[in-house]
Amino acid sequence: DTGVSQDPRHKITKRGQNVTFRCDPISEHNRLYWYRQTLGQGPEFLTYFQNEAQLEKSRLLSDRFSAERPKGSFSTLEIQRTEQGDSAMYLCAGENSRGFTDTQYFGPGTRLTVL
Amino acid sequence: GQNIDQPTEMTATEGAIVQINCTYQTSGFNGLFWYQQHAGEAPTFLSYNVLDGLEEKGRFSSFLSRSKGYSYLLLKELQMKDSASYLCALTRSGGSYIPTFGRGTSLIVHP
Repeated sequence: DTGVSQDPRHKITKRGQNVTFRCDPISEHNRLYWYRQTLGQGPEFLTYFQNEAQLEKSRLLSDRFSAERPKGSFSTLEIQRTEQGDSAMYLCAGENSRGFTDTQYFGPGTRLTVL
Repeated sequence: GQNIDQPTEMTATEGAIVQINCTYQTSGFNGLFWYQQHAGEAPTFLSYNVLDGLEEKGRFSSFLSRSKGYSYLLLKELQMKDSASYLCALTRSGGSYIPTFGRGTSLIVHP
């Protein structure tokens, strides 16, 4: 158990609906990353936060995707007007960047299915 | 850009040894991670290599050659529970250390 939790674990939605996912890292994780993973592929980086600052968001897949980490603790990832191509596993990972290895610890993921 | 190459799938027998290779091409290489991912679950950290050489951790060892752009993960005394996808991921220096993942190698361990 990495201590990183995600909610919900599964989400089924209809095309065009908005969805929001939550990630809760442990308190030592000053960095928080969001990834998308589709079947047979490795995780694809979306965005990351250093405390509450979003330092990289150019790789969010479109302007329908947005993320926040308002108090530097939990984070949310929102997808507006979902499309069938958004169906994937959404992973978040926490990291203590003050550590030596910059190792990321993943949450269990949220599996999104867009009908 | 960056390029990471791993075999798509490997099979091995319980109790045997298997080596999973990862080759990469990138500028400003910093370090290389190996993660294990069971089907439907999140990746879990196995190892992180920054310096050349072999690092052993129980049944798993990881090797890195920076000059050759090459790493491998060695799994000894294979168990059925080792059936999983093994992801290598590299980080680059001089910035955010955002890891780039390979597609992963699906390892199937059979009796």
